[in-house]
Amino acid sequence: DAGVTQSPTHLIKTRGQHVTLRCSPISGHKSVSWYQQVLGQGPQFIFQYYEKEERGRGNFPDRFSARQFPNYSSELNVNALLLGDSALYLCASSLVASGGGTDTQYFGPGTRLTVL
Amino acid sequence: SQQGEEDPQALSIQEGENATMNCSYKTSINNLQWYRQNSGRGLVHLILIRSNEREKHSGRLRVTLDTSKKSSSLLITASRAADTASYFCATANTGNQFYFGTGTSLTVIP
Repeated sequence: DAGVTQSPTHLIKTRGQHVTLRCSPISGHKSVSWYQQVLGQGPQFIFQYYEKEERGRGNFPDRFSARQFPNYSSELNVNALLLGDSALYLCASSLVASGGGTDTQYFGPGTRLTVL
Repeated sequence: SQQGEEDPQALSIQEGENATMNCSYKTSINNLQWYRQNSGRGLVHLILIRSNEREKHSGRLRVTLDTSKKSSSLLITASRAADTASYFCATANTGNQFYFGTGTSLTVIP
């Protein structure tokens, strides 16, 4: 079975532009989470979606938004890009969203975003 | 902000030696998980320990949890060059929002 897939692999944008990142979860997984990982740091939680509804939001500005589709794939959108948005964006899927950190998250390879 | 902090930030050992890394967190937890990341790629789940467990083993991995000290340790025995990676602890509260630490970069020298 295929793991979590993300596209594109790499992306270069300029300040002020908009970007859309895509994620396909493992087949059968209904929860998708998004993380931002700046170089040298651990991943920071951005969003979690389960059954197309937002279940959690991290401390990120409103320029960041996401959605989940009926097939459980997800998009992360970032508007008005800043230099500081340059990072590895990771998507993780889990079977459900049981809460309490019970679910194992399976991560995709990430999308490397560079903002110039 | 990230809840966990790993210590040390970087660790370099010879192949065959044991590697120990520690994680401290700030609030009460239900579970704590350890993940590995190779060269800025996706994270791989290693092991989960529940708040009512004190120790757990998986192959060459041994994890301990001390909820009174809000800390956990990951021991990798008989390390191999392929263990070279960054290791992160992750905690979650009532939601399923994981909070990762800053990571320990492990280098195993052949």
